[in-house]
Amino acid sequence: GAVVSQHPSRVICKSGTSVKIECRSLDFQATTMFWYRQFPKQSLMLMATSNEGSKATYEQGVEKDKFLINHASLTLSTLTVTSAHPEDSSFYICSASFQGSGANVLTFGAGSRLTVL
Amino acid sequence: AQSVTQPDIHITVSEGASLELRCNYSYGATPYLFWYVQSPGQGLQLLLKYFSGDTLVQGIKGFEAEFKRSQSSFNLRKPSVHWSDAAEYFCAVAAPGNFNKFYFGSGTKLNVKP
Repeated sequence: GAVVSQHPSRVICKSGTSVKIECRSLDFQATTMFWYRQFPKQSLMLMATSNEGSKATYEQGVEKDKFLINHASLTLSTLTVTSAHPEDSSFYICSASFQGSGANVLTFGAGSRLTVL
Repeated sequence: AQSVTQPDIHITVSEGASLELRCNYSYGATPYLFWYVQSPGQGLQLLLKYFSGDTLVQGIKGFEAEFKRSQSSFNLRKPSVHWSDAAEYFCAVAAPGNFNKFYFGSGTKLNVKP
């Protein structure tokens, strides 16, 4: 089955530093991946759509300079939180579209919990 | 505007009891419908999906959901809950064939009493 892997699962960093989160499709190619953010006890909010070989599309209100997305290959998208601050602490989840059972289905990674001190 | 409503924030049921989690959506046309489960600190696992056809959909772990067009609902059910079902459940919709926009409900946290 389709598997999406995220790394790291947990990261703690100091305020002002940058953190990179990787999202990999392990057994399929994903031309499009999606990055979500989940605040405590809330639902997932789409941050951006990552397109292989082109610029990401950001949702309204998401700072593209704060959340850098790179989708350099068909199996890897990265999210870099630049100059992180405590308010960036959150659970970040990526997903990729997988062609299965005759239709596309979104497969989600296990998420990455970022804590900024 | 598209939206997904899960009216129950928390639900507690006894192990072995039946379960129904409610989901209502607002969409221009019949969307694709999904239920996902999230265990603490984990990502989302797909339980089941509805694209078209039979309105009663069977999923994994003994879950099923019924699409009711007249009520714009897609409620999740399980006849007998197990302690391992304790988790958070999210209903989601997407435009047919378009996964660029996934709209999630706010989630329902399920507690299971022994």
